[in-house]
Amino acid sequence: RKEVEQDPGPFNVPEGATVAFNCTYSNSASQSFFWYRQDCRKEPKLLMSVYSSGNEDGRFTAQLNRASQYISLLIRDSKLSDSATYLCVVIPGSGYSTLTFGKGTMLLVSP
Amino acid sequence: ETGVTQSPTHLIKTRGQQVTLRCSSQSGHNTVSWYQQALGQGPQFIFQYYREEENGRGNFPPRFSGLQFPNYSSELNVNALELDDSALYLCASSLGQHTDTQYFGPGTRLTVL
Repeated sequence: RKEVEQDPGPFNVPEGATVAFNCTYSNSASQSFFWYRQDCRKEPKLLMSVYSSGNEDGRFTAQLNRASQYISLLIRDSKLSDSATYLCVVIPGSGYSTLTFGKGTMLLVSP
Repeated sequence: ETGVTQSPTHLIKTRGQQVTLRCSSQSGHNTVSWYQQALGQGPQFIFQYYREEENGRGNFPPRFSGLQFPNYSSELNVNALELDDSALYLCASSLGQHTDTQYFGPGTRLTVL
């Protein structure tokens, strides 16, 4: 089983749609959780951290369920500029901080 | 921009050759991590350097090696290149080995023919 698994993509949605990405992780000792965004042929950029209490940043909402080892990202009112690959990232809880990435889910928002 | 720079931007090598990639970390950051991202995959952790010492290593063979310099810049060296080494190589800098927030450079795209 892979350490971090994400929904296979791509997701094709019209502007204004709501889209949800799901992610599961295998290491129950994992400490920290993030969503990164990666534009085509660019470096990953931190979108938001994910907390057990859930957190929201504008149109983006992230949720963590430690019991189910499940992370989600909800994007409301999709914009064309949201088109990118969304990477689920976990820090496994070893003695140093390394990022374990999922494969990513591509989102294509069309007019 | 993150302030993390990498060179070169692109590189083409042939199988069996050796390559050195470079990374300058963000000012004040003493930790550099290197990742390999193959096409269609998420980045995979290669190793991390903290204050000039290798601090942790992912599942990569010994022909992947690195260095960190006193100014905290870093090099990734790959010997005996294989076709599967073709990928985007990313470095990320952070302040401290236990810091969750890492800032990525733009990457070096390596093609092995």
